[in-house]
Amino acid sequence: EVQLQQSGPEVGRPGSSVKISCKASGYTFTDYVMNWVKQSPGQGLEWIGWIDPEYGSTDYAEKFKKKATLTADTSSSTAYIQLSSLTSEDTATYFCARHFGVGVMDAWGQGASVTVSS
Amino acid sequence: DIQMTQSPASLSASLGETVTIECRASEDIYNGLAWYQQKPGKSPQLLIYNANSLHTGVPSRFSGSGSGTQYSLKINSLQSEDVASYFCQQYYDYPWTFGGGTKLELK
Repeated sequence: EVQLQQSGPEVGRPGSSVKISCKASGYTFTDYVMNWVKQSPGQGLEWIGWIDPEYGSTDYAEKFKKKATLTADTSSSTAYIQLSSLTSEDTATYFCARHFGVGVMDAWGQGASVTVSS
Repeated sequence: DIQMTQSPASLSASLGETVTIECRASEDIYNGLAWYQQKPGKSPQLLIYNANSLHTGVPSRFSGSGSGTQYSLKINSLQSEDVASYFCQQYYDYPWTFGGGTKLELK
């Protein structure tokens, strides 16, 4: 069974950074690209970007290029997203989601909440 | 960016009823469209991809159709477990974008 287990809730001060993990199991980690998606409180979904764990290549939505950094550790089958220079706009739940074909996401983590508060 | 507009934003329906949710793209997305279901407090789950292909394990009462800029998700014989929010997503062009969602409740 494909599972994506995300790390727990994070609280960050304005201007600081947080890093969320997503541990994959039930499939070969390097065979699938991993996406990250943001869901603001009571709002819709925004695609942040993807990482190909095999090659380390990434692509980001323009809006998130200076905000998010995607990395992956193949030895532990874990993908990461780091969010920098936190503002109240970054308060949201962040999901990792496995690629299924181009752009379709067939398995999702449970989500990790980030709260930005002083 | 391609804008995805869903309608209605909320919907109330009775058990056994047929429900249709619409999604309009700001330009032709050539069937590069997926539908997701998100139950309260849970992560989204893939229902439909390529506008009309049912994902593995999804009940056959769900179906997708459309082309060009207009797409729809239909739920036949509504069940209580279908209470959720539904989102469309285009993946024809970067950045991939989602509709604002439709919240489906029981009447």
